[in-house]
Amino acid sequence: GAVVSQHPSWVICKSGTSVKIECRSLDFQATTMFWYRQFPKQSLMLMATSNEGSKATYEQGVEKDKFLINHASLTLSTLTVTSAHPEDSSFYICSARTPAETDTQYFGPGTRLTVL
Amino acid sequence: RKEVEQDPGPFNVPEGATVAFNCTYSNSASQSFFWYRQDCRKEPKLLMSVYSSGNEDGRFTAQLNRASQYISLLIRDSKLSDSATYLCVVNPPTGGFKTIFGAGTRLFVKA
Repeated sequence: GAVVSQHPSWVICKSGTSVKIECRSLDFQATTMFWYRQFPKQSLMLMATSNEGSKATYEQGVEKDKFLINHASLTLSTLTVTSAHPEDSSFYICSARTPAETDTQYFGPGTRLTVL
Repeated sequence: RKEVEQDPGPFNVPEGATVAFNCTYSNSASQSFFWYRQDCRKEPKLLMSVYSSGNEDGRFTAQLNRASQYISLLIRDSKLSDSATYLCVVNPPTGGFKTIFGAGTRLFVKA
């Protein structure tokens, strides 16, 4: 299957700082990427849909000014958690669809964020 | 009613057992269906797609019943390595992007 990478795989930061997470499609071009958040023992919750060259579409209840998404190229989307707080601690996962498989999502390995 | 509902877990089974997971979805116009597997602290990985005709991949069999809006996953001859959380995933009608994930069913296979 297609390969999606994320960086960093884990990060610990102080409250009030900003954290940037990168999501890359390694062997395909992804016009659309998705950002999810998963709290312990819960399912993935879609935060936003990232579209190359245009503004991201945020799900209800997700603050766009707090979770900044940039999809500047066909292989890279970034999520920046601004002014992170302990309640933002979570597992953030991105996914992408290949042009040939519009129904299937391939997930990055996830980024575990801990805000102290 | 949740958009996608799965059997509550966890399922605790011995090696070699057959185990079945169920999943129901509320949007009758949903287009495609999948089972993903998620190991602890890892990302979900596609296990298999689910078709109306049913599909089988080794020890795994997936079935879709559109009339009942129900999909299932059967695992035969369970292995220790099958221990994971199994996510039922439903895609909306064509043109929609919001994939819906079930809450997952946890499986523990014991020696």
